[in-house]
Amino acid sequence: GDSVTQMEGPVTLSEEAFLTINCTYTATGYPSLFWYVQYPGEGLQLLLKATKADDKGSNKGFEATYRKETTSFHLEKGSVQVSDSAVYFCALRAGGTSYGKLTFGQGTILTVHP
Amino acid sequence: EAQVTQNPRYLITVTGKKLTVTCSQNMNHEYMSWYRQDPGLGLRQIYYSMNVEVTDKGDVPEGYKVSRKEKRNFPLILESPSPNQTSLYFCASSLEAIRTAHNEQFFGPGTRLTVL
Repeated sequence: GDSVTQMEGPVTLSEEAFLTINCTYTATGYPSLFWYVQYPGEGLQLLLKATKADDKGSNKGFEATYRKETTSFHLEKGSVQVSDSAVYFCALRAGGTSYGKLTFGQGTILTVHP
Repeated sequence: EAQVTQNPRYLITVTGKKLTVTCSQNMNHEYMSWYRQDPGLGLRQIYYSMNVEVTDKGDVPEGYKVSRKEKRNFPLILESPSPNQTSLYFCASSLEAIRTAHNEQFFGPGTRLTVL
């Protein structure tokens, strides 16, 4: 079945540091890939997405590139802020008989200190 | 404002006492889904619905029921809750499921359930 593996956290960084959160996936067919963010006490919000190989999703300074050859979708940001502290989830959504289910990684807790 | 709402946000109950968590969306979405979030496991799908009167099991359906009588509502029912159902629950919706895997799913704010 489909699966998503994220780097284990928690991740603790100082403000303005570079961020990478690794994500790899296993899926049949051609899934769409997503990064969701969950701020403390809130629901999940879509951060960015990519729907086909070599697509780059970007939003709020975050980027991720859909790499089919390495089945990866790593999240990066050049300079993190305290306000980026949250839980980040990598997810995939396959079409066809998966009927739209999102398959999530286990989540990575990011804490950014001033 | 386009949104998914859930009620209640917090609930503490006892083993065996039936409860319902409501979910409603105002975006005319066809697809709705319930997930539970547990530490170290991410989110796992409980049930989903592709349209009115069409529901099916996700990965962890045991102990749960759902119904989809109207397009906007998708309640989650726990007929006899047990402590292992203590979790954070999210409802989500998206425009459609088939053919368009890239549609964004919109999530509700979550319901934190504790079963004693």
